[in-house]
Amino acid sequence: DTAVSQTPKYLVTQMGNDKSIKCEQNLGHDTMYWYKQDSKKFLKIMFSYNNKELIINETVPNRFSPKSPDKAHLNLHINSLELGDSAVYFCASSQYGTAANEKLFFGSGTQLSVL
Amino acid sequence: KQEVTQIPAALSVPEGENLVLNCSFTDSAIYNLQWFRQDPGKGLTSLLLIQSSQREQTSGRLNASLDKSSGRSTLYIAASQPGDSATYLCALHRGGGADGLTFGKGTHLIIQP
Repeated sequence: DTAVSQTPKYLVTQMGNDKSIKCEQNLGHDTMYWYKQDSKKFLKIMFSYNNKELIINETVPNRFSPKSPDKAHLNLHINSLELGDSAVYFCASSQYGTAANEKLFFGSGTQLSVL
Repeated sequence: KQEVTQIPAALSVPEGENLVLNCSFTDSAIYNLQWFRQDPGKGLTSLLLIQSSQREQTSGRLNASLDKSSGRSTLYIAASQPGDSATYLCALHRGGGADGLTFGKGTHLIIQP
């Protein structure tokens, strides 16, 4: 069973559209994250949720809205897509988000291409 | 603001060699440091995690060290194999709630058969 799964794997869309990426983890973790990896392969955190509550919201345009219906799911909705949004988006989870010895588990990524 | 630098950006070595990947950081107030492996088209796999109070961790042919005072970590790979070819990323947890990781840009490693 895949621990952290995200869909779709590839997403190609036109500028101005609204799209969503879904993420689910079956590890029983309390904390989930969204990371963005840009064209230069630089990974940067976007959001962090702990038990459905937003903890981190880095400098991300408000066109990006995370939604966590329960602690096993963290979806990412993007409004009015722009060319610069093209990137690979990774979902991740960790047990509590606070313990010094806990690892992060990543999904396989969603490659978003905005045309 | 924490900055993480990985050197070299790319490395190509013959199979069987031992090698060292380097990671440096600017703020020594870290919670832990993790080394990840990223294969093309796939997510990241956590290889080793060193807590702030620890100096090193080992897993099989991998050994990671942490020197907070100098702001450095190394990942040592012994007896490299073609299957080790991947991008290796260093990431620091800065602590404080359900915080995220600050990543370096990675070292792209190629092991020549």
